[in-house]
Amino acid sequence: KNEVEQSPQNLTAQEGEFITINCSYSVGISALHWLQQHPGGGIVSLFMLSSGKKKHGRLIATINIQEKHSSLHITASHPRDSAVYICAVRRYTGTASKLTFGTGTRLQVTL
Amino acid sequence: DGGITQSPKYLFRKEGQNVTLSCEQNLNHDAMYWYRQDPGQGLRLIYYSQIVNDFQKGDIAEGYSVSREKKESFPLTVTSAQKNPTAFYLCASIAAGAGEGFFEAFFGQGTRLTVV
Repeated sequence: KNEVEQSPQNLTAQEGEFITINCSYSVGISALHWLQQHPGGGIVSLFMLSSGKKKHGRLIATINIQEKHSSLHITASHPRDSAVYICAVRRYTGTASKLTFGTGTRLQVTL
Repeated sequence: DGGITQSPKYLFRKEGQNVTLSCEQNLNHDAMYWYRQDPGQGLRLIYYSQIVNDFQKGDIAEGYSVSREKKESFPLTVTSAQKNPTAFYLCASIAAGAGEGFFEAFFGQGTRLTVV
């Protein structure tokens, strides 16, 4: 079983829909990251969370540390949101910060 | 502008050949990481370096080698010993404070390696 599980693996939505992507993890973490990978492969960081909720434009990320669960929401989705969204958990090992990645959720938003 | 640059974007290699992927950053980050991405799998750690002239094996280091002669550069060599080298390779540059504090991660655009 992977330490970081994402669902769904694939998601198709129509423009304007509200989207939720879920991430569950099984280890103690320092923080959780949501990343966006564009079709060309480059990755950008969207959020870093250690508690509560963060909002940036139409994107909202929440985390429940007790339940080891995080969600990424996209309000009023748009075709330009089409990408792979990756959840990653960060652990500090005493000498280094290490990231463990989920397998990603591929989102396709159509007109 | 500060950033992290990987080259080339696409690379083709004949079986049995070694090939080196470049990763350069001008962010003044101490730590650099190499990941491999395969379809249906999350990014997996190959090697990482916390400081110049030092590096550590990640989860899937077999068949790979790295060097860290300069802070800005962390090249990855895919050797002929890597049995399944065709994959997407991502380099990351990370700045982190001690413990669980400050953390900043930047990723390169990736190199897609194909063995022909």
